[in-house]
Amino acid sequence: DIQMTQSPSSLSASVGDRVTITCRASQSIRSYLNWYQQKPGKAPRVLIYGASNLQSGVPSRFSGSGSGTDFTLTISSLQREDFATYYCQQTYSYPPYTFGQGTKLEIK
Amino acid sequence: EVQLVQSGAEVKKSGQALTISCKASGYSFTKYWIGWVRQLPGKGLEWMGIIYPGDFDTRYGPSFQGQVTISADTSSSTAYLQWSSLQASDTATYYCTRYWGGPWMAGDCYSDHWGQGTQVTVSS
Repeated sequence: DIQMTQSPSSLSASVGDRVTITCRASQSIRSYLNWYQQKPGKAPRVLIYGASNLQSGVPSRFSGSGSGTDFTLTISSLQREDFATYYCQQTYSYPPYTFGQGTKLEIK
Repeated sequence: EVQLVQSGAEVKKSGQALTISCKASGYSFTKYWIGWVRQLPGKGLEWMGIIYPGDFDTRYGPSFQGQVTISADTSSSTAYLQWSSLQASDTATYYCTRYWGGPWMAGDCYSDHWGQGTQVTVSS
């Protein structure tokens, strides 16, 4: 299985901050990397697919970059509604389409 | 509008069987992969498996192979997740999700729609 490691596991930030979350794959996954946001008690929703493609309806303050083994999700200016848990997922090799362990973004 | 509507919460005892469902609407059910994701209480997302209703091709994550069965009924556009004998460790929320792309399909692959989740509680 391909292992996905996110860092940090948790992060405190303030409204208006620029935030970066990192995801590293145990082997190259080219650009088959997705980012999801999950709020408590809700299903996840996709933010970024294919490493850098913004899903329709997702605010442009979210962006993704990277290829191979190292990827980042950046939120350019945090809004209150962005406090949530973020997961990366590789869809290069299956099964399984592995998720990272998650990064919990909390209000400072 | 694409919708995935899951069956309601379940409370079961260890050793009992269970099937939960995910009814799809708003798209051609047989043309998209659909799968299941587990979330243990307070924990992260775990990929369980995926099925292509067009030919019933099914793939399981190693941790779930032999532990659950994923199936689909094209006549009702419904996907299922089945246990033959539940354990307390199966207590979790289970999400169904539709994939854009998937195994043997070219291009991007990601979960573009999700069900609301089904809470399964298993007591010993």
